[in-house]
Amino acid sequence: DVKVTQSSRYLVKRTGEKVFLECVQDMDHENMFWYRQDPGLGLRLIYFSYDVKMKEKGDIPEGYSVSREKKERFSLILESASTNQTSMYLCASSLGGVLNTEAFFGQGTRLTVV
Amino acid sequence: AQSVAQPEDQVNVAEGNPLTVKCTYSVSGNPYLFWYVQYPNRGLQFLLKYITGDNLVKGSYGFEAEFNKSQTSFHLKKPSALVSDSALYFCAVRDEGRDDKIIFGKGTRLHILP
Repeated sequence: DVKVTQSSRYLVKRTGEKVFLECVQDMDHENMFWYRQDPGLGLRLIYFSYDVKMKEKGDIPEGYSVSREKKERFSLILESASTNQTSMYLCASSLGGVLNTEAFFGQGTRLTVV
Repeated sequence: AQSVAQPEDQVNVAEGNPLTVKCTYSVSGNPYLFWYVQYPNRGLQFLLKYITGDNLVKGSYGFEAEFNKSQTSFHLKKPSALVSDSALYFCAVRDEGRDDKIIFGKGTRLHILP
């Protein structure tokens, strides 16, 4: 079975802290994604990576950065957490190239910034 | 840039009745279209996809969707709703002619009334 694992289900962090959200996939997928989910706004793409060390900004990259040093791992970094980054964060992966099809999602990390 | 719209925030259907959840899309090339479902406190689960071929695609849990190129729509349907179908449904699109980004709609909450 396809598996995308996010390191934490729930996190509480203080304003100004540096926060790392980790995601690992075991399917040898080229593409990995970070979305945030907010009521009424759906899923919004933060960053997308199509290969190791490669990244592209999504629709809402401000306040975030990412790291992909290995194919299976994609980290989302909040350099200085703020209360407006309180949200559900979802990681996903998909095959790339001509075989690119659906994305597979992790269980999500609910982050609260206080 | 690609985009997807789900015009209804919420849809209410009586158990046993047919259901439709609407989705329209905008891409510059050929679309890859997806439907996902999210149950409370869970990640997104893939339901079905349209890549090419037959306009009517069948997916998990008895759901199906019809691709209509002239109306740029991809509505999700089920002939007979179950109470257990109550959940949040997301439509998503990838533009074949561009990169591998997958963009989601805002979601539609489906309530099946007993």
